Amino acid sequence: AQSVTQLDSQVPVFEEAPVELRCNYSSSVSVYLFWYVQYPNQGLQLLLKYLSGSTLVESINGFEAEFNKSQTSFHLRKPSVHISDTAEYFCAVSMGGTSYGKLTFGQGTILTVHP
Amino acid sequence: EAGVAQSPRYKIIEKRQSVAFWCNPISGHATLYWYQQILGQGPKLLIQFQNNGVVDDSQLPKDRFSAERLKGVDSTLKIQPAKLEDSAVYLCASSLVQGGNTQYFGPGTRLTVL
Repeated sequence: AQSVTQLDSQVPVFEEAPVELRCNYSSSVSVYLFWYVQYPNQGLQLLLKYLSGSTLVESINGFEAEFNKSQTSFHLRKPSVHISDTAEYFCAVSMGGTSYGKLTFGQGTILTVHP
Repeated sequence: EAGVAQSPRYKIIEKRQSVAFWCNPISGHATLYWYQQILGQGPKLLIQFQNNGVVDDSQLPKDRFSAERLKGVDSTLKIQPAKLEDSAVYLCASSLVQGGNTQYFGPGTRLTVL
């Protein structure tokens, strides 16, 4: 079975500081990896995803994540955060076979950006 | 393009009552998912449909939960009877195809069971 661990439940940071949200997964087969963001009172939105190819993937608003197969990690980073980045972030994994398409989520990391 | 629609947005019921949630996926999306998100946890898949057939319902508590997707478009998730531990946000998502394709989520229905 696949599982996802988000190592930090809350991450407070000051505006314009860098941030890293950590995500580790366990799976014995190839996986697809995702980061979703949930702003207050809104639904989940896809931030970025890794399916294949380059291990570094980027979002349109400055976030990036690197797939590290040897460490089974998919950490999310941003070099300089804004107040508007305050939200809850979820890492998720999907794999092939009979579970094709099913997303398994981590418990979420609440990012709070302070002025 | 319209997103995934869900109703109602909020529902408060007493335990042992029944409740139903409705989801309308993005037009043309063959795959539909229902997730349960308990406060402080990540979403957990309850059931996955491919068109009007069930692909995965292994985590659906079938003694009280049921779901259908008639005609392969809209879907309804029902709980009967509800328990206190069913208090959660119920999320509907859809995707064009299974697998790595992006899942688009609706705003969710927040259920409170008293």
